[in-house]
Amino acid sequence: SSELTQDPAVSVALGQTVTITCQGNSLRTYYASWYRQKPGQAPVLVIFGQNSRPSGIPDRFSGSYSGYTASLTIAGAQAEDEADYYCHSRDGSGSYVLFGGGTTLTVL
Amino acid sequence: QVQLQESGPRLVKPSETLSLTCNVSGDSISSDYWNWIRQSPGKGLEWIGYIYYRGTTDYNPSLRSRVTISIDTSKRHFSLNLKSVTAADTAVYYCAREKRGVNLPTWYFDLWGRGNLVTVSS
Repeated sequence: SSELTQDPAVSVALGQTVTITCQGNSLRTYYASWYRQKPGQAPVLVIFGQNSRPSGIPDRFSGSYSGYTASLTIAGAQAEDEADYYCHSRDGSGSYVLFGGGTTLTVL
Repeated sequence: QVQLQESGPRLVKPSETLSLTCNVSGDSISSDYWNWIRQSPGKGLEWIGYIYYRGTTDYNPSLRSRVTISIDTSKRHFSLNLKSVTAADTAVYYCAREKRGVNLPTWYFDLWGRGNLVTVSS
């Protein structure tokens, strides 16, 4: 199917490590990219490719893969990391853009 | 610094056509994929469609019958038309640049506009 599936919500204690996952058949073909979206703001790219970060994104953000699953890991979560996180890829044909449903991260 | 800026009406009547333009400043528009994405209040991101700089388009199958995206590279803008709108089309509409990875099977949105909230109401 042409879908990306994310858990709706995840929580993490301040300073601890959290992993957000994204599952989909197309992730066997294409790497996912990840976006952070805070309320009232546009999404911001945090991870793309195998594990690349745009300039300005802290190195506590990292990406990894296993089978049909892409993962975004935040090592030492900070209060400012509280946000919605979305994964993105293309479908297996490369034609259609796919987004995961989003994961709301709460930092306790 | 490359920036994207959406422009267009904030209120559209039911059954009418929603028209938005995304102006690109700081770079040419003659490469990459230029997308429209929307987000209904309290919901996730929904892809509407894209236009490749050469003019090829593709659209979300659920919206294809109502959507047209066009591009004017000389004026450095691309546009969205969504016809026969209903209240369900009320959303923040974003334009975004999507790049294809070089030598890597990946896609990513590296630039986004700030978004334009469009409300469909009489």
